[in-house]
Amino acid sequence: KAGVTQTPRYLIKTRGQQVTLSCSPISGHRSVSWYQQTPGQGLQFLFEYFSETQRNKGNFPGRFSGRQFSNSRSEMNVSTLELGDSALYLCASSQTGTRNTEAFFGQGTRLTVV
Amino acid sequence: KQEVTQIPAALSVPEGENLVLNCSFTDSAIYNLQWFRQDPGKGLTSLLLIQSSQREQTSGRLNASLDKSSGRSTLYIAASQPGDSATYLCAVNGADGLTFGKGTHLIIQP
Repeated sequence: KAGVTQTPRYLIKTRGQQVTLSCSPISGHRSVSWYQQTPGQGLQFLFEYFSETQRNKGNFPGRFSGRQFSNSRSEMNVSTLELGDSALYLCASSQTGTRNTEAFFGQGTRLTVV
Repeated sequence: KQEVTQIPAALSVPEGENLVLNCSFTDSAIYNLQWFRQDPGKGLTSLLLIQSSQREQTSGRLNASLDKSSGRSTLYIAASQPGDSATYLCAVNGADGLTFGKGTHLIIQP
């Protein structure tokens, strides 16, 4: 069974540009969550999607947005990139809509903003 | 707002020792708690999941306990090996999703 797949693995963008990251969850998983990891702040929750609906949202500016498709794949978009957006972006999938299921993470997308 | 603290932040021990990593959280209204391992520049690997109704879980040389009422969890690693070197993250799953601690950076010296 394939794990959580994130593409691309590495990305370099210029300030002011926008970027789209992709996450394919484990087959059969309907919940996808996104996290930002930086050395200073650690892992911070961005948002969660379940059955194409945003179920929960962290404390990030509106430049960060996401969506989920009918096949449960999810995309995250960051507009007007800032240097501080440089981070490892991690996606996690879980099986059901209930909260007590195990989360499985992808390898992440390393975004560098220059 | 849930806060998760992990102690110690870093640990370096010789191979073969038994270790205890600590995790504390402020809001006991959780669904479960997960321990993860992260190698440098990589994603997170799930080690153990403890449901809120459980007291402990074991997998191989790893044992995790949960005391929800006191807001504490420990990860016990038996007979540590150099391959155990990594950052260990504790995450509590509550109403706001997963909240992570800053992790314990573990080095096992050969």
